[in-house]
Amino acid sequence: NAGVTQTPKFQVLKTGQSMTLQCAQDMNHEYMSWYRQDPGMGLRLIHYSVGAGITDQGEVPNGYNVSRSTTEDFPLRLLSAAPSQTSVYFCASSRPSGGGFENIQYFGAGTRLSVL
Amino acid sequence: TQLLEQSPQFLSIQEGENLTVYCNSSSVFSSLQWYRQEPGEGPVLLVTVVTGGEVKKLKRLTFQFGDARKDSSLHITAAQPGDTGLYLCAGAASGGSNYKLTFGKGTLLTVNP
Repeated sequence: NAGVTQTPKFQVLKTGQSMTLQCAQDMNHEYMSWYRQDPGMGLRLIHYSVGAGITDQGEVPNGYNVSRSTTEDFPLRLLSAAPSQTSVYFCASSRPSGGGFENIQYFGAGTRLSVL
Repeated sequence: TQLLEQSPQFLSIQEGENLTVYCNSSSVFSSLQWYRQEPGEGPVLLVTVVTGGEVKKLKRLTFQFGDARKDSSLHITAAQPGDTGLYLCAGAASGGSNYKLTFGKGTLLTVNP
C-alpha cells in the first residue's frame, strides 16, 4: 500500500518556468489537499478538493492551479514560477473517522522546490 | 482566519527530562490534531482530540484538549532522542469542514542523549 506518492522529490526551476507537481493516492480518499511549508511558517493550505471535479482555494492560492479529474490524482501546477514559491510542498489525502468528527490526513514525503 | 499559536518554537532538552508544548487560539475548534514530522518526511498524525477536556495518552505522550476547545497541550514524559522532531498542532474549525485544517507553526524539539 503506497499511500500518498509525490513526484518529483526535488526540482529546480528558473523564474518564469512552469511545472506540475504530481500527487497520487491509492486509499480511495475523497479529500485531497496541497500545502506549502516554509521555515517558521508551519503548513499553509494552497488548494483542496472534496472529490473528483471539485476544488477550492485555501489560504495561499495565488500562482497555483489545481484540477481533480480522478479520485486518485491531484496535480498542482505552477503557472510562472517565482522565487517566492521556493518551498517544500506537501500533498495530503484524508478520510473522515470517529463518526465524522475526526479527519485523518495522510501526507506524502514532499517535493522540495527551488526557484532561481 | 483562525490562528493557532504554538509555544515554544524551539526546545532543546536532555534525555529523561519532561516537557510540554502548547497550542493556543482565540477560536473554537471542533477537533484538534497533533502531528510529528521528521526531517525529509511528511507529518504523521499522532492523535486527534474532539471533546473539550479530553485527555489521550500515547505511551509517554499525553494530549489534552481545553475545556473550551480553544487550546491543547502535548506533554512528553522522560523524553528520548527518538522523540526529536517537529511537532505540529492543527485544528478543524468549529461549524466548518473538518477536513480543512489550520496548522500552527510548529515546535522543533531536540532531545540530546
